[in-house]
Amino acid sequence: GQQVMQIPQYQHVQEGEDFTTYCNSSTTLSNIQWYKQRPGGHPVFLIQLVKSGEVKKQKRLTFQFGEAKKNSSLHITATQTTDVGTYFCASSGSARQLTFGSGTQLTVLP
Amino acid sequence: ETGVTQTPRHLVMGMTNKKSLKCEQHLGHNAMYWYKQSAKKPLELMFVYSLEERVENNSVPSRFSPECPNSSHLFLHLHTLQPEDSALYLCASSQKGAGYGYTFGSGTRLTVV
Repeated sequence: GQQVMQIPQYQHVQEGEDFTTYCNSSTTLSNIQWYKQRPGGHPVFLIQLVKSGEVKKQKRLTFQFGEAKKNSSLHITATQTTDVGTYFCASSGSARQLTFGSGTQLTVLP
Repeated sequence: ETGVTQTPRHLVMGMTNKKSLKCEQHLGHNAMYWYKQSAKKPLELMFVYSLEERVENNSVPSRFSPECPNSSHLFLHLHTLQPEDSALYLCASSQKGAGYGYTFGSGTRLTVV
């Protein structure tokens, strides 16, 4: 897999505020995947990006892949309490083995 | 249900015990994985079984032994574990080349005493 660094490690927001987590790599990534893990749960696949500059949306979630394919972001607009959890980015290399970032733990305060 | 079933959900074992974790996928995927998730650490890939070929992380101790009898079943055999092996063990499956991401099971919460 390819090494990915994720920031921030923790984020507390007030309900209704926006939230962004970032994923960075020193090398070009072949793809980037995003997962959400609810407290006490397991990672759930959200989306995969493969093209340079790609932007995909899922309701209030916007996913971006950088032009150089070395970074990615997940942005949540107007957070809700149901958004609570840890968001992981992940990438697979030539061996197609997925390497995960350390995750961003999101807390949404009502 | 995710389509990937792990048993047991919780396991407490002594350091001299031998136990096995089981994973079964009903998705028709052709690859299965074991991941370890410890507090404050990224998900660590332990083993990959892909099209009946095994790939492993060389840093995984030999007290962890995987077995994949067919494309739907995956086991993780445990023996003489250490307290630092306490973690959430997650099984996942995927269809290689499809780009749909991994499907994870609910995990086995392992405590070594």
